[in-house]
Amino acid sequence: GEDVEQSLFLSVREGDSSVINCTYTDSSSTYLYWYKQEPGAGLQLLTYIFSNMDMKQDQRLTVLLNKKDKHLSLRIADTQTGDSAIYFCAETLYNQGGKLIFGQGTELSVKP
Amino acid sequence: DVKVTQSSRYLVKRTGEKVFLECVQDMDHENMFWYRQDPGLGLRLIYFSYDVKMKEKGDIPEGYSVSREKKERFSLILESASTNQTSMYLCASRATRDRGRVYGYTFGSGTRLTVV
Repeated sequence: GEDVEQSLFLSVREGDSSVINCTYTDSSSTYLYWYKQEPGAGLQLLTYIFSNMDMKQDQRLTVLLNKKDKHLSLRIADTQTGDSAIYFCAETLYNQGGKLIFGQGTELSVKP
Repeated sequence: DVKVTQSSRYLVKRTGEKVFLECVQDMDHENMFWYRQDPGLGLRLIYFSYDVKMKEKGDIPEGYSVSREKKERFSLILESASTNQTSMYLCASRATRDRGRVYGYTFGSGTRLTVV
């Protein structure tokens, strides 16, 4: 079956790097996503990676994918207080019509 | 920009009431979804719809139904609200998948429902 797991909380100091981790179980995943949810808002797509890639960089964001271990991570360089939010990992399953399966979300707290 | 609009940000309803949550998208997307979000559980899929008048159960459909009479509108119905349905409800839409492209979802801002 499909399952996506994340740790619930992460606290970092402003200017440090943040690394948010995610594991998934379904090997038929095609795309894997990171969404950001700011307080009181819906989810905003941050970045995504196709399952045949192992890394993607987009400004301060770096996504690493280890398909063998089914492990996905999001690194935020030079973390700012505006990065404080909940970050959701999600996978989409090609054999289920592209349905998105979400992790529990990691609440990132950035301290000045 | 694609917009997904949920009609209410906050709702308070009584146990046993019939509750309608409305979602409208303005980009002619075929697919629409309803999720509920609870702390520590992430987002769980309630129902989704691939096109007008079509609906599919998600992972937690019990106690809910949906309606998709028009392409732009997807309604979530709580037939008889209960306190365990107190939650944040998120609507999302997506264009029909196009092989090789990202299956981007666009989310609404959410409706926080409290059932008392």
